[in-house]
Amino acid sequence: TQLLEQSPQFLSIQEGENLTVYCNSSSVFSSLQWYRQEPGEGPVLLVTVVTGGEVKKLKRLTFQFGDARKDSSLHITAAQPGDTGLYLCAGASGSSGSRLTFGEGTQLTVNP
Amino acid sequence: EPEVTQTPSHQVTQMGQEVILRCVPISNHLYFYWYRQILGQKVEFLVSFYNNEISEKSEIFDDQFSVERPDGSNFTLKIRSTKLEDSAMYFCASRQDRGRITEAFFGQGTRLTVV
Repeated sequence: TQLLEQSPQFLSIQEGENLTVYCNSSSVFSSLQWYRQEPGEGPVLLVTVVTGGEVKKLKRLTFQFGDARKDSSLHITAAQPGDTGLYLCAGASGSSGSRLTFGEGTQLTVNP
Repeated sequence: EPEVTQTPSHQVTQMGQEVILRCVPISNHLYFYWYRQILGQKVEFLVSFYNNEISEKSEIFDDQFSVERPDGSNFTLKIRSTKLEDSAMYFCASRQDRGRITEAFFGQGTRLTVV
């Protein structure tokens, strides 16, 4: 059974601070997605990383895929209250390379 | 922007009843999925569907579950005889065929409550 562990589980910071969320596994994934989920809604795709060592930037968000494609990180610079939400990482695997294994999520709260 | 749509948004059913959850995937997508999320827990894979057949299923997806693509647009999940533990958010997702790029787009979900 493949597992993705996210840390920290909860993070509460002040507006303007930087933060990093980690997603780790002992398994190799063909690609990894980061999602954001609001209460009672479906996950919304933020980014997909495919190549080991890949770095992608989305405004103040920086995503990195580990060289061995087993781990990933999400770094937010100068966090804003609008960044508050549940951040999920999900690794793709399976016979057709498409089944997603989700982490538990990191609940981020950015206080004004 | 194209999106995955799910109906109903909420469904309350009595234990033992059959329910059908409906999804309209993004129109040019070829892979379709159902996931579920029990309250306070992680999102779990149920089943993937490609070329009119199940391509992969999890241990959760037992004989009580079935999926169907009855026409060119809808994708359904049927639970034959619901149990209390089937209460969860059910998410439909779809993706294009882009090789290793497996980004899936999720619907808003159906909240199923079994009483």
